[in-house]
Amino acid sequence: NAGVTQTPKFQVLKTGQSMTLQCAQDMNHEYMSWYRQDPGMGLRLIHYSVGAGITDQGEVPNGYNVSRSTTEDFPLRLLSAAPSQTSVYFCASGKDRVSGSSKGQFFGPGTRLTVL
Amino acid sequence: KQEVTQIPAALSVPEGENLVLNCSFTDSAIYNLQWFRQDPGKGLTSLLLIQSSQREQTSGRLNASLDKSSGRSTLYIAASQPGDSATYLCAVWDARQLTFGSGTQLTVLP
Repeated sequence: NAGVTQTPKFQVLKTGQSMTLQCAQDMNHEYMSWYRQDPGMGLRLIHYSVGAGITDQGEVPNGYNVSRSTTEDFPLRLLSAAPSQTSVYFCASGKDRVSGSSKGQFFGPGTRLTVL
Repeated sequence: KQEVTQIPAALSVPEGENLVLNCSFTDSAIYNLQWFRQDPGKGLTSLLLIQSSQREQTSGRLNASLDKSSGRSTLYIAASQPGDSATYLCAVWDARQLTFGSGTQLTVLP
């Protein structure tokens, strides 16, 4: 299993540009989520999904969109990037889709985003 | 709203010492608690997961305990090594989201 994969690893954007951060998991997990990590702020939840077709907002959803059309993929879209979105973004997954058991959350390697 | 606090924020110890990291949370309605390790510029590595019905979990030199009723968890590291230097994060899961503490930055001096 590859676990949770994220692309790209690094990205530089200009203010106003749009982009999509990709996240995929091959562990048949029901739950997927996106966090951002900022110095002094810790890890904060942006959006999450409890299954294909179901998404919900976390603590800091403004400026971000998500969709979950398949169990495996959970992309995060920045529609109009702002310098305040400069951060490290982590995708995570957990909770087995069939059994419903949770063995904790598994995190991807992160995407370092800089918005100029 | 769940709040997770980790004390101390930073800790520096000589190699070989046993040490305890503390984590507290305000809402005891959790499903599990997870301890992570994060090296500078890297992602999160899961160390231990304690289900809400459990009292402790062990992995090698690490032992984590959970007292759900008092909203506390500790991570015990035995015989610390310089390679243990990292930031340790505690997070609680309520079936909707993982709420993180701000972490303890550990430095083990050779």
